[in-house]
Amino acid sequence: EAGVAQSPRYKIIEKRQSVAFWCNPISGHATLYWYQQILGQGPKLLIQFQNNGVVDDSQLPKDRFSAERLKGVDSTLKIQPAKLEDSAVYLCASSATGDFEAFFGQGTRLTVV
Amino acid sequence: EDQVTQSPEALRLQEGESSSLNCSYTVSGLRGLFWYRQDPGKGPEFLFTLYSAGEEKEKERLKATLTKKESFLHITAPKPEDSATYLCAVQGGSGSARQLTFGSGTQLTVLP
Repeated sequence: EAGVAQSPRYKIIEKRQSVAFWCNPISGHATLYWYQQILGQGPKLLIQFQNNGVVDDSQLPKDRFSAERLKGVDSTLKIQPAKLEDSAVYLCASSATGDFEAFFGQGTRLTVV
Repeated sequence: EDQVTQSPEALRLQEGESSSLNCSYTVSGLRGLFWYRQDPGKGPEFLFTLYSAGEEKEKERLKATLTKKESFLHITAPKPEDSATYLCAVQGGSGSARQLTFGSGTQLTVLP
């Protein structure tokens, strides 16, 4: 069974530029998560989708971050404009439903300079 | 607000030296407690889910236990390949949004 796919693996941008990350979850998984992991910390949830709909985006900085899930499958996370403090690993995860364990992708390491 | 505290932050063991990692939590209505392993440059890898106090699960040299306030990850006779960061997460709440709240992890180093 294929795992969660993310791209790109690495991205370096200047502050105030925009960036987008892509995620393809495990086939059939209804729940998709985006997490931000700052070095030395645990992952922090940014947004949770159930199929097409957002069920939790309470910790998403909505003035600069946006996310969508296309047809209940792939998802993109965008940052515009980026700040230095956005430097982190962005992890995508999926689960069969919100009640089961989540499986993570390799993550995208973002460096904002 | 759900909270997870893991201790110690870092642990160095000799190969074969058994030990335990601690995860203390506060959550409104625990639906599950999860243990993950994370290697450098990779995403977290799922290990265990525990649902109720008294539950235990084992996988190779790892054993996870759960009480009403904390969980332990016991590592028996560890090997260098067990070196990684171990993350604990809780899922609580009701309704459709049941987010995972993670601790900061315990970085385990097993020396040969």
